[in-house]
Amino acid sequence: DAGVTQSPTHLIKTRGQQVTLRCSPKSGHDTVSWYQQALGQGPQFIFQYYEEEERQRGNFPDRFSGHQFPNYSSELNVNALLLGDSALYLCASYRDSNTRGTGELFFGEGSRLTVL
Amino acid sequence: AQSVTQPDIHITVSEGASLELRCNYSYGATPYLFWYVQSPGQGLQLLLKYFSGDTLVQGIKGFEAEFKRSQSSFNLRKPSVHWSDAAEYFCAVAEGYGGSQGNLIFGKGTKLSVKP
Repeated sequence: DAGVTQSPTHLIKTRGQQVTLRCSPKSGHDTVSWYQQALGQGPQFIFQYYEEEERQRGNFPDRFSGHQFPNYSSELNVNALLLGDSALYLCASYRDSNTRGTGELFFGEGSRLTVL
Repeated sequence: AQSVTQPDIHITVSEGASLELRCNYSYGATPYLFWYVQSPGQGLQLLLKYFSGDTLVQGIKGFEAEFKRSQSSFNLRKPSVHWSDAAEYFCAVAEGYGGSQGNLIFGKGTKLSVKP
């Protein structure tokens, strides 16, 4: 049973470019959250998708957008990249239905983005 | 605003010694609390969680944590540390949608080093 898979694992972009990161949730999971982890920091919540809609959003600018597909996979898009966007981007999934929100959250290994 | 504080940035213990990692949270209602571990280049793995009930929770890899409402703490303990426990440990509290894991707020982490 594959866990949460993310792609690409590493990528380098320049300031002003746009990037798309992808996430496939663990089998049976319907909810996907994205986190940004800067070097030496704990992860920060970006947003969460459920039933193809953004359900919650953290304190991130509109340059950060996302999407969830009918198969529950998700994308994170970042426009107009800044040097400060360099970070590890983590995707996490869990099964919301029938667990009343207490299902275990599984994290992928992340996509490491470097902005030059 | 909700927050999580991990006072110790870096802890070094000898193999076989006991371990306690501190976590304090700020949250108005009954919190959902978590401890995650992150090895270098890896995603986050759940060690244990507290939602309700018994305030002493057991987790994987021999870890346990105790929820103390009066102290707003959720400290992680292990009686005998193994070299493979060297990693970064994150405490987190859930807020938001139905008290579920819609938005995890993480501490900045404690890096654990293990001396032979």
